Amino acid sequence: DAGVTQSPTHLIKTRGQQVTLRCSPKSGHDTVSWYQQALGQGPQFIFQYYEEEERQRGNFPDRFSGHQFPNYSSELNVNALLLGDSALYLCASSLGVRGAYNEQFFGPGTRLTVL
Amino acid sequence: AQSVTQLGSHVSVSEGALVLLRCNYSSSVPPYLFWYVQYPNQGLQLLLKYTSAATLVKGINGFEAEFKKSETSFHLTKPSAHMRDAAEYFCAVSGSRDDKIIFGKGTRLHILP
Repeated sequence: DAGVTQSPTHLIKTRGQQVTLRCSPKSGHDTVSWYQQALGQGPQFIFQYYEEEERQRGNFPDRFSGHQFPNYSSELNVNALLLGDSALYLCASSLGVRGAYNEQFFGPGTRLTVL
Repeated sequence: AQSVTQLGSHVSVSEGALVLLRCNYSSSVPPYLFWYVQYPNQGLQLLLKYTSAATLVKGINGFEAEFKKSETSFHLTKPSAHMRDAAEYFCAVSGSRDDKIIFGKGTRLHILP
């Protein structure tokens, strides 16, 4: 049973560019959440997708956007990259929307470096 | 608003000694509380969670945590540390109807031989 997978593993971009990160949820899961983990910090919630719609959003600017596809996979897009966007981006999947009651399974993350 | 504070960014214990990682939370609603572990270059793995059932929660790998409402604490313990326990540990909180999880800054656990 494949867990949560993310691609790419590492990515290097320059300021002002745009980036797309991808996530495939654990088999049987229909909900995807995205988190940003800056170096030395805990993960911060970006947003969550369920039924192809954004259900909840953290305190991130509109430069951060996402999408969920009918097969439940998801993309995270970041426009106009800033140096401060350098971080590990984690995707987590879960089943249903009973709040955080349902365990979120995390992928290994995508390490984004902005130069 | 919800938040967690983890006391000590680094904790060192000897192999075989008691592990105690401290976490205090703040929540305006009954909380769900979590402990996650992150090994180098890996994602987060759930160790245990509190969802308003038993206040003493047992998790994987011999870890357990006790929810103390009067102290707003959810400290993580393990009776005997192993070298494989060396990792980063995150305490986290969520509201019962909330999807987002709020994480602490993490505590890196070092195991001394």
